[in-house]
Amino acid sequence: QVQLQQSGPGLVKPSQTLSLTCAISGDSVSSDSAAWNWIRQSPSRGLEWLGRTYFRSRWYNDYAIYVKSRITISPDTSKNQFSLHLNSVTPEDSAVYYCARGYASGHFDYWGQGTLVTVSS
Amino acid sequence: QSVLTQPPSVSGASGQRVTISCTGSSSNIGAGFDVHWYQHLPGTAPKLLIYGNSNRPSGVPDRFSGSKSGTSASLAITGLQAEDEADYYCQSYDISLSAWVFGGGTKLTVL
Repeated sequence: QVQLQQSGPGLVKPSQTLSLTCAISGDSVSSDSAAWNWIRQSPSRGLEWLGRTYFRSRWYNDYAIYVKSRITISPDTSKNQFSLHLNSVTPEDSAVYYCARGYASGHFDYWGQGTLVTVSS
Repeated sequence: QSVLTQPPSVSGASGQRVTISCTGSSSNIGAGFDVHWYQHLPGTAPKLLIYGNSNRPSGVPDRFSGSKSGTSASLAITGLQAEDEADYYCQSYDISLSAWVFGGGTKLTVL
C-alpha cells in the first residue's frame, strides 16, 4: 500500500519561499512508471496542478506555466521523498497543498494528507 | 474559472441515480485525453473514483461509473447512499496549457 506523508510549515511570510516535503512509502521516487506531483486547492482557484518530477533513465520535471518561474520540485532518493519549493509567495498562494502519485493515463491514485499553507505576515 | 466545467451542485434522494457532467474543449477532453474522477470529503485527501474515463480502482463500488463522449464526460452514481455526500471533481490534460486540469467541483447532496 502506497502512503504519502507530507511535512512542512503552515505559515509563510509574503515574498519568502514555501517548502513542503512528501515522504513515500510503498513505492520509490525513482520508479520508472510513476510521477510525483504537487497539487493545491483554494476557494478562489479550485484544484490546481503545480508540477511533477519523474525518473525515466534520467530525472525530468514539468511545471505549470502559471508558477513556472517560481517553482522547483526535486527528488531525494536517499530519503525516498520529494519536495516542493515555491518562491516569492503572495497571499494568493495560500491553499491546501497535496502531493500525489501520478500514472501514465494522467490520474492521481495516491494523495498525501494535505497541508494548509497560509501566506501572511 | 476552471478549464473543465461542472455543475456546482446536484442532489438526489437516497436510492436514486444522479449524473455529474464535465464539459471541456478541443484542447483537453475533445483532444482525446482521458478523464478521471475524484471524490473529496472535507478535511481529507481526494480519492480516485474513476480513471481512464470508465475504469474503477479496486475497492470502488460498481454504483459509480464513468463515460466520455466528444468534449464531455459524465459520472453516474446509482443507488445513492448518505455516505456519497461529497464534492466530486473531474480531471483531464490540457494540451494548450501543458497541464493537468480539474473541474470546479460538484457538491452532491443526498436528500
